[in-house]
Amino acid sequence: GDSVTQTEGLVTVTEGLPVKLNCTYQTTYLTIAFFWYVQYLNEAPQVLLKSSTDNKRTEHQGFHATLHKSSSSFHLQKSSAQLSDSALYYCALRDYGSSGNKLIFGIGTLLSVKP
Amino acid sequence: GGIITQTPKFLIGQEGQKLTLKCQQNFNHDTMYWYRQDSGKGLRLIYYSITENDLQKGDLSEGYDASREKKSSFSLTVTSAQKNEMAVFLCASSIRDRGLAEQFFGPGTRLTVL
Repeated sequence: GDSVTQTEGLVTVTEGLPVKLNCTYQTTYLTIAFFWYVQYLNEAPQVLLKSSTDNKRTEHQGFHATLHKSSSSFHLQKSSAQLSDSALYYCALRDYGSSGNKLIFGIGTLLSVKP
Repeated sequence: GGIITQTPKFLIGQEGQKLTLKCQQNFNHDTMYWYRQDSGKGLRLIYYSITENDLQKGDLSEGYDASREKKSSFSLTVTSAQKNEMAVFLCASSIRDRGLAEQFFGPGTRLTVL
């Protein structure tokens, strides 16, 4: 079945330096819809970025990601990390193999930004 | 805009107890979901309901029941709480359309079983 892989459980970065959170996927479907969710401490997860277009850069709140079907990836990047970016980040793939608008989530990456 | 409300915010139960978690949304969304969040395991789908009179099992449905009372509300029951269990249960909702339609999440119910 379809799957999503986030390889790092914890990423620690110094404030002002670039950060990259990795996300790859496996699917048998040609149509892709991909999401990055962010969850701040004691808050609900919320969408940060989403895309369904191959090789098109998507940006929001200083973060960017590009869906690359050739490498099955949708990595999240930011050129200069801020202390307020510390949070739990999930990538998620639309599950086209089932009904109900389901999403397949990765296990999450905790981003810790240090001064 | 809209909001998803989950009650209670914190739930403490005893081993073997039946516990019910409630979720309300005012987005007027058709589809609602219950997820369990455990550290290092991501968000795992327990139950979902595509429309008001529908109920579907997710990957983690064993040990749980769900009920869609009306379009705006979706309840989850832990049928027999497991000792030392700790988890966060998240409710979400979305429109029925696929593509880039996102799921909106509630703040969660934190369960502790003594």
